[in-house]
Amino acid sequence: GAVVSQHPSRVICKSGTSVKIECRSLDFQATTMFWYRQFPKKSLMLMATSNEGSKATYEQGVEKDKFLINHASLTLSTLTVTSAHPEDSSFYICSARRDGLNTEAFFGQGTRLTVV
Amino acid sequence: AQRVTQPEKLLSVFKGAPVELKCNYSYSGSPELFWYVQYSRQRLQLLLRHISRESIKGFTADLNKGETSFHLKKPFAQEEDSAMYYCALDYSGNTGKLIFGQGTTLQVKP
Repeated sequence: GAVVSQHPSRVICKSGTSVKIECRSLDFQATTMFWYRQFPKKSLMLMATSNEGSKATYEQGVEKDKFLINHASLTLSTLTVTSAHPEDSSFYICSARRDGLNTEAFFGQGTRLTVV
Repeated sequence: AQRVTQPEKLLSVFKGAPVELKCNYSYSGSPELFWYVQYSRQRLQLLLRHISRESIKGFTADLNKGETSFHLKKPFAQEEDSAMYYCALDYSGNTGKLIFGQGTTLQVKP
């Protein structure tokens, strides 16, 4: 099956700094990738859709200036959490959908962000 | 508004017993529904989707538009089925944007 890799798996950063999370589709091209956030013991919440070569589209209530998304190639999307605060601590998960009709989305292993 | 509801946080059964994980949805369009599974310390993976009408690992799910449900069933649970199960709805016309239910932990006891 197709593989989506996230890096890093865990990161700890200081309040006020920025942190970048990468999402790569290792063996397929993905024009579209998705970023989710998962709070402890809660479900996944879609944050934004990352579109290769164009701006990301954000879900209602998600600050685009806070969560910067760049999708510079067909296999890489990055999520940058800017000026991180402790309330940004969470589990961030990306998914990538193979280009084509009715295709399956494959999920990364997730990134645990802790802001101290 | 679109919504996916999984009423049970935890479902505990004995090995060999039937399993039914409930999922109800709210969506005005034609729904595309999925079940995802997350085994311990592993990533989320697709279990099945309603349009393919497959049976994966003995699990089946039937879309009932009248009851707006997509319950996941297996006649005989195995210990290796123990995992977190999420029901999800593609609410954007098959563009891949998913809304997830809260998840149900299935615990299969020996």
